[in-house]
Amino acid sequence: DTGVSQNPRHKITKRGQNVTFRCDPISEHNRLYWYRQTLGQGPEFLTYFQNEAQLEKSRLLSDRFSAERPKGSFSTLEIQRTEQGDSAMYLCASTLPNSPLHFGNGTRLTVT
Amino acid sequence: DQQVKQNSPSLSVQEGRISILNCDYTNSMFDYFLWYKKYPAEGPTFLISISSIKDKNEDGRFTVFLNKSAKHLSLHIVPSQPGDSAVYFCAASARGTSYDKVIFGPGTSLSVIP
Repeated sequence: DTGVSQNPRHKITKRGQNVTFRCDPISEHNRLYWYRQTLGQGPEFLTYFQNEAQLEKSRLLSDRFSAERPKGSFSTLEIQRTEQGDSAMYLCASTLPNSPLHFGNGTRLTVT
Repeated sequence: DQQVKQNSPSLSVQEGRISILNCDYTNSMFDYFLWYKKYPAEGPTFLISISSIKDKNEDGRFTVFLNKSAKHLSLHIVPSQPGDSAVYFCAASARGTSYDKVIFGPGTSLSVIP
């Protein structure tokens, strides 16, 4: 069990630029989740996949956000035309159904 | 609309004493509850869970109690140790429904004083 891996750990970008984050889940886990966490708050659900199918997207996820999980393995989260309000920790987690989430260490995004 | 609430942002406890962290929820569909611990610069790590068919689950120094009628759960840590100092998140989900995602509370920062 190598754990959930997220890259990069930190990303600083200028407002208006596009960014992409990658998540590699635990290999046998078929569910993959993306959460966002801001200071003083708990993780907020963004979206999740079962295998390659995206089952749900939060209303928090505007049209500028898109997530993919090709072939049901790794996942990417892209934010287009970043805004300062997008600055947050983006957390990925994987799991099997009816089991606890296993989180990665996150990607901290700073939009200047 | 915050469905999982942790009304104490912070808690300080002396080493060796009991830490009690509280959590309330509003969605009666929730049937699975979890506690996560988070250290700075790391992702949350799973601590303990409880299904709604139980009212208590114990794992070493950690015990979770569930009161369904009050929509309330608590995490007891005894004895508390300095290494327990972290942010604790309560989380809930409604398994097997269309509401299957895990919803987190805002967290309680626990400080265990040596």
